[in-house]
Amino acid sequence: SAVISQKPSRDICQRGTSLTIQCQVDSQVTMMFWYRQQPGQSLTLIATANQGSEATYESGFVIDKFPISRPNLTFSTLTVSNMSPEDSSIYLCSSRTANNEQFFGPGTRLTVL
Amino acid sequence: RKEVEQDPGPFNVPEGATVAFNCTYSNSASQSFFWYRQDCRKEPKLLMSVYSSGNEDGRFTAQLNRASQYISLLIRDSKLSDSATYLCVVNMGYKLVFGAGTILRVKS
Repeated sequence: SAVISQKPSRDICQRGTSLTIQCQVDSQVTMMFWYRQQPGQSLTLIATANQGSEATYESGFVIDKFPISRPNLTFSTLTVSNMSPEDSSIYLCSSRTANNEQFFGPGTRLTVL
Repeated sequence: RKEVEQDPGPFNVPEGATVAFNCTYSNSASQSFFWYRQDCRKEPKLLMSVYSSGNEDGRFTAQLNRASQYISLLIRDSKLSDSATYLCVVNMGYKLVFGAGTILRVKS
């Protein structure tokens, strides 16, 4: 399995500001993903983080709002831009191993006031 | 219709009981299936993959019925520590699609 760390683990932010979440995987993986889990709901895929190129976003998510970087095979960042209270959620980084198993980081709990 | 549907529960069962969760998926082309477990305020953790032949891991048995597009998870001899939300997950191409989860509460 892959060990994934994220930081910060939680944050409380003001409306209109931006927060960048970092994700580090302990081994080289081919695929990294960013998910959102809103209170009481299941996980929704935001985007696939592609190494060295633009992320692939799911319907309803755009690069201007959620810019993603992936400079190498083990590291990615997600920025939540111009935040509003509706962005309050848990943001989870995930990676997939060569045998197609997918693991998750501990999540970043974001509260926007 | 949702891509992955689960009974949200909660399932309240006594210790030692056998409990079964069901899940249906909409995309007949789906190739891989999983059960994840999520504890309160924690990330989802892979419980087991689900194979066409069915698979067992200790007290847990997963089954797949491709014709009916149906997945199940059976937990025998429930423990207090089994209390969690169980997520049915389907691999649709490059991405995993999560069900909303089934809540299990095991009581002494």
